[in-house]
Amino acid sequence: EDKVVQSPLSLVVHEGDTVTLNCSYEVTNFRSLLWYKQEKKAPTFLFMLTSSGIEKKSGRLSSILDKKELFSILNITATQTGDSAIYLCAVEVSGGSNYKLTFGKGTLLTVNP
Amino acid sequence: EPEVTQTPSHQVTQMGQEVILRCVPISNHLYFYWYRQILGQKVEFLVSFYNNEISEKSEIFDDQFSVERPDGSNFTLKIRSTKLEDSAMYFCASSRTFWGQGRGYTFGSGTRLTVV
Repeated sequence: EDKVVQSPLSLVVHEGDTVTLNCSYEVTNFRSLLWYKQEKKAPTFLFMLTSSGIEKKSGRLSSILDKKELFSILNITATQTGDSAIYLCAVEVSGGSNYKLTFGKGTLLTVNP
Repeated sequence: EPEVTQTPSHQVTQMGQEVILRCVPISNHLYFYWYRQILGQKVEFLVSFYNNEISEKSEIFDDQFSVERPDGSNFTLKIRSTKLEDSAMYFCASSRTFWGQGRGYTFGSGTRLTVV
């Protein structure tokens, strides 16, 4: 059975701190790993990673994938209260002619002023 | 930025009733999905849909569930004879290709289904 494990499950920090969120996976037919931010409802896309060792950056957020060790990290520097959300890691796996996402439980990040 | 639209945002139904959850995917997307998230649990894949037929479905997606694209824009999930354990947030998603190219899969805001 495909498995995606995120850690920590929750994290409380102060504004300005740097955080690292972890995602490890054990799946068959890996294609990519995606990070989403879930605030009120809809998961919103952050990154898609397909190759090892290539860091993707968007402002204060960055992410990298290690396909040998089967994990990814999401870094957020200089955190702000608006970063408070659930961060979801999902692995895209192939099911024959189709792909689907297998999600982790998410990391609840709370950034206090 | 294009959005996936879901209606209603919240639906309360009595056990045993049928519900239809509606989604309008992004207009140039060809692949459509339903996921659900039971409170406090992971987001789980239900079904994928392409070219007016189901591409893949999970074990959760049994005969109680069906999907349809009735008019070329809407994509619906029907749940017959709802059970208490069907209470969850149901997310619709779409993608341009059968893999999540570029920006991956776009999710709607979800429908919170409460079965009482």
